[in-house]
Amino acid sequence: AQSVTQLDSQVPVFEEAPVELRCNYSSSVSVYLFWYVQYPNQGLQLLLKYLSGSTLVESINGFEAEFNKSQTSFHLRKPSVHISDTAEYFCAVSEKGGSEKLVFGKGTKLTVNP
Amino acid sequence: NAGVTQTPKFRVLKTGQSMTLLCAQDMNHEYMYWYRQDPGMGLRLIHYSVGEGTTAKGEVPDGYNVSRLKKQNFLLGLESAAPSQTSVYFCASRPFRTSGGTYNEQFFGPGTRLTVL
Repeated sequence: AQSVTQLDSQVPVFEEAPVELRCNYSSSVSVYLFWYVQYPNQGLQLLLKYLSGSTLVESINGFEAEFNKSQTSFHLRKPSVHISDTAEYFCAVSEKGGSEKLVFGKGTKLTVNP
Repeated sequence: NAGVTQTPKFRVLKTGQSMTLLCAQDMNHEYMYWYRQDPGMGLRLIHYSVGEGTTAKGEVPDGYNVSRLKKQNFLLGLESAAPSQTSVYFCASRPFRTSGGTYNEQFFGPGTRLTVL
């Protein structure tokens, strides 16, 4: 069975600073990888996903994540954060084939301070 | 399209009471899921359905039942609520992926905040 570890439960940063949210996964088969974002008192929104092909994937609001198979990682990065990026970020993995259920990490709360 | 909707948005129950949470989607998706979100725990899968009339257990199914009588609706029931079931419940849906087709991500509803006293 697959599992996801998000190494930091909270990440405080200052506005315009770079940020990296770390995610490692464990699986015995090939996987799809996702980052979801949850703004305060809202549901989850898909931020970006890796299905196949290029290992670097980007979102429309400046985030990017790189799939590293050898290190079983899918870290999320942004070179310059805004106050509006304050949210909780969840990494998730789905094994290819079968029921393709999502398994989530425990989340990382990103707080961007002025 | 309204997407995925959940009813109610908030509910307070007393221990032992029962209730049903409704999830509805208008995207004709085959797969539907129920998760619970607790602080520091992420989202955990309760039950899911791969089509009308079918359901299966997820990671934390105890104390919950589900039904998928219509393709667009997925109901989550608590027969005898316990304080440990205080949580935020999310429903999600996604379309079926044909063999060789592209994986389709899950779409989430806005959540139901349930408190059991």
